[in-house]
Amino acid sequence: GENVEQHPSTLSVQEGDSAVIKCTYSDSASNYFPWYKQELGKRPQLIIDIRSNVGEKKDQRIAVTLNKTAKHFSLHITETQPEDSAVYFCAASPSGAGSYQLTFGKGTKLSVIP
Amino acid sequence: EAQVTQNPRYLITVTGKKLTVTCSQNMNHEYMSWYRQDPGLGLRQIYYSMNVEVTDKGDVPEGYKVSRKEKRNFPLILESPSPNQTSLYFCASSLLGHSPLHFGNGTRLTVT
Repeated sequence: GENVEQHPSTLSVQEGDSAVIKCTYSDSASNYFPWYKQELGKRPQLIIDIRSNVGEKKDQRIAVTLNKTAKHFSLHITETQPEDSAVYFCAASPSGAGSYQLTFGKGTKLSVIP
Repeated sequence: EAQVTQNPRYLITVTGKKLTVTCSQNMNHEYMSWYRQDPGLGLRQIYYSMNVEVTDKGDVPEGYKVSRKEKRNFPLILESPSPNQTSLYFCASSLLGHSPLHFGNGTRLTVT
């Protein structure tokens, strides 16, 4: 099955700096890569996703890049703000033979220091 | 209001006593799934369903059962709970297989 590795497990940045979280996946059939943000005590919420036919996607201060050859994808947050502090999860999903299994990384706890 | 509703929010039970955690969505979503969240392990998918009467295993299905008899409901059944199933459980739904998941509020289960 799919295996998703996520690094780093914790990340502290100064407000206004950029944050980068990296994930690698093992199954070359994976073609959907979402990122979820989970604030303390709350449910995960999607912040951005990318499909394998696209190399980069941006949404305001958030961007995701995908390198299919190397089987890794990254989340970039620019101009970080205290409200960006949360746990971020990457995930990967194949769609071969009707399978939509979704495998998550173990998460990155981002702390933005005011 | 569009939402995924899980019940109960908290549950304490004893080893071997069958339990069901209910999940219902009102968005007419095709895809529903269950996850458990444990410290240091992130979110792990237990089961998912692409449609009524269609279910499939996720990464950690052992010790769990699901059913999808109606499109809106996707209950999680623990026939004989054990302490290693103590965890925070989330139900989620999405319009299709590869689209944004809407999570419920979670169910914190403790098995003693």
